[in-house]
Amino acid sequence: ETVLTQSPDTLSLSPGERATLSCRASQSVNSYLAWYQQKPGQAPRLLIYDASNRATGIPARFSGSGSGTDFTLTINSLEPEDFAVYYCQQRSNWPWTFGQGTKVEIK
Amino acid sequence: EVQLLESGGGLVQPGGSLRLSCAASGFTFSTYAMSWVRQVPGKGLEWVSTISPSGTGTYYADSVKGRFTISRDNSKNTLYLQVSSLRAEDTAVYYCTKGHKMATISSHFDSWGQGTLVTVSS
Repeated sequence: ETVLTQSPDTLSLSPGERATLSCRASQSVNSYLAWYQQKPGQAPRLLIYDASNRATGIPARFSGSGSGTDFTLTINSLEPEDFAVYYCQQRSNWPWTFGQGTKVEIK
Repeated sequence: EVQLLESGGGLVQPGGSLRLSCAASGFTFSTYAMSWVRQVPGKGLEWVSTISPSGTGTYYADSVKGRFTISRDNSKNTLYLQVSSLRAEDTAVYYCTKGHKMATISSHFDSWGQGTLVTVSS
């Protein structure tokens, strides 16, 4: 099983700051990695697919990068609505797996 | 607009069974892989199962293999998950999800339903 390890577990930032979230895979997932955002009481929302492609309707302040085993989600200039939990997920190897999540909280 | 509406969750005793359904609309259902993802309240996400657009290919997480069965009826635009031999650790919100890429089983989840809660308890 491909284990995805996200870091940090919690990121405390202020609106307007940049958030950098990391996802490391235990084996290569090529570029088959996605990022999701989940707010309390809501279903997750796809932000980035295949490592660096923004999903439909996702603002340009969200960007993804990486390949192989190391990936990054960057949120430029945090907006109040960006404070949430973020998950990475790989579809390269069965079983598909998620990271444990990174909570971005208001400092 | 894509809509995914799950139903069928509820309280069930250990060892019991349920059939979860997901009614899909707003897209050509038969051309996208569909999946179930679950989440224990307050915890992370766990992929459960995926089915190919035609329904001929299926994959399962080891934790549910042999107990859960995914299926679809493309004539009714509906996805199913038959859950059997339920355990306390299967208690979770079950989300129906749509693949982001047409005509392939391998895709991320670009649309999610609101979820249906399955509670396994005596």
